[in-house]
Amino acid sequence: GAVVSQHPSRVICKSGTSVKIECRSLDFQATTMFWYRQFPKQSLMLMATSNEGSKATYEQGVEKDKFLINHASLTLSTLTVTSAHPEDSSFYICSAPGLAGTLHSSTDTQYFGPGTRLTVL
Amino acid sequence: ELKVEQNPLFLSMQEGKNYTIYCNYSTTSDRLYWYRQDPGKSLESLFVLLSNGAVKQEGRLMASLDTKARLSTLHITAAVHDLSATYFCAVTDSWGKLQFGAGTQVVVTP
Repeated sequence: GAVVSQHPSRVICKSGTSVKIECRSLDFQATTMFWYRQFPKQSLMLMATSNEGSKATYEQGVEKDKFLINHASLTLSTLTVTSAHPEDSSFYICSAPGLAGTLHSSTDTQYFGPGTRLTVL
Repeated sequence: ELKVEQNPLFLSMQEGKNYTIYCNYSTTSDRLYWYRQDPGKSLESLFVLLSNGAVKQEGRLMASLDTKARLSTLHITAAVHDLSATYFCAVTDSWGKLQFGAGTQVVVTP
């Protein structure tokens, strides 16, 4: 089945530094990818939609200058957390829409990456 | 605005017994998803439900969808320890974005 990878899986950084997280669709093309953030014991919250060839669209309350998104190719989207602070510590997950099933019976679905655990000291 | 409500938020299950998780959503949607999340891990897709009356089963899990009632259920039959996890339902909004429920933390004990 379709696979989405994320790198790094875990990162620890000092306050004020920037961190880049990569999301790749490994065996399919994704013109759109989604970035989510999940705090402990909470649900996933959509941060932004990454669009290949155009600007990302951000959800209300998400600072676009702090969370820079670049959809460099049909298989790669990056999220850069700029000037990270301890409150940015979270689990960041990307997803890409794709098709699941067989050639004769397929269903739109979302493939999720394994997530990136960011800890800002 | 699309809202997705799950209940219960926490479910302590006894091995061998049956339980149901409920997912209500506020506006019409094309599809409903169920996911499983283990601690420290990402989401694992369980089911995609597309139409009214859809029922899907995989092992001890069965999901159903009633689009008229805007309700989906995830039924667990004869719970076993391996089913301990957090279960999320999610619904696509008119823009194709996923709106998640709060999640149901399931703990299965002997």
